[in-house]
Amino acid sequence: RKEVEQDPGPFNVPEGATVAFNCTYSNSASQSFFWYRQDCRKEPKLLMSVYSSGNEDGRFTAQLNRASQYISLLIRDSKLSDSATYLCAVPRGGYALNFGKGTSLLVTP
Amino acid sequence: GAGVSQSPSNKVTEKGKDVELRCDPISGHTALYWYRQSLGQGLEFLIYFQGNSAPDKSGLPSDRFSAERTGGSVSTLTIQRTQQEDSAVYLCASSRTMNTEAFFGQGTRLTVV
Repeated sequence: RKEVEQDPGPFNVPEGATVAFNCTYSNSASQSFFWYRQDCRKEPKLLMSVYSSGNEDGRFTAQLNRASQYISLLIRDSKLSDSATYLCAVPRGGYALNFGKGTSLLVTP
Repeated sequence: GAGVSQSPSNKVTEKGKDVELRCDPISGHTALYWYRQSLGQGLEFLIYFQGNSAPDKSGLPSDRFSAERTGGSVSTLTIQRTQQEDSAVYLCASSRTMNTEAFFGQGTRLTVV
């Protein structure tokens, strides 16, 4: 298994839809997990941190499943402005972050 | 500003020349990362500095790549004898300590012609 894997998509959803992305990781010792958002030709920006079972921030919910070694990101009531690439990050051996290749989301009117 | 600062934002260089990319992390952040992102690709880990510990250089693609971090703050990434395949966006990030959120600079877009 690769260290961090994501479904590349693209996910095309209509405005108002709920969409979920999964990210699987190989380092079972990881204690912290992160979701980043990256817009075209911009740097990644932190969206959410997950240190325990999950985290919620408005329309965004991140959940951690340690037994199956994956984290998910749920976006409710999608907006056009949510269109971006979503990157999952997991510490490699407890140090530097390993990033997945990202999942592309396109929200359409 | 309070964020991670990188310079230059764009660099065009001739094949075979050396280049230096600079990163100024967020004040007080002990961890600093360099990543590379080619067009349409994911983030490729290059090197990681944590405080005064020996850096994790395991991601450097060849011995033409090196990086330093002076005084636990500013870092420079040097690419010697640049090749066309070195063309990419080089991103620097810093975090308060290990295992915490990393914040990215805007990147340096390197084009080797």
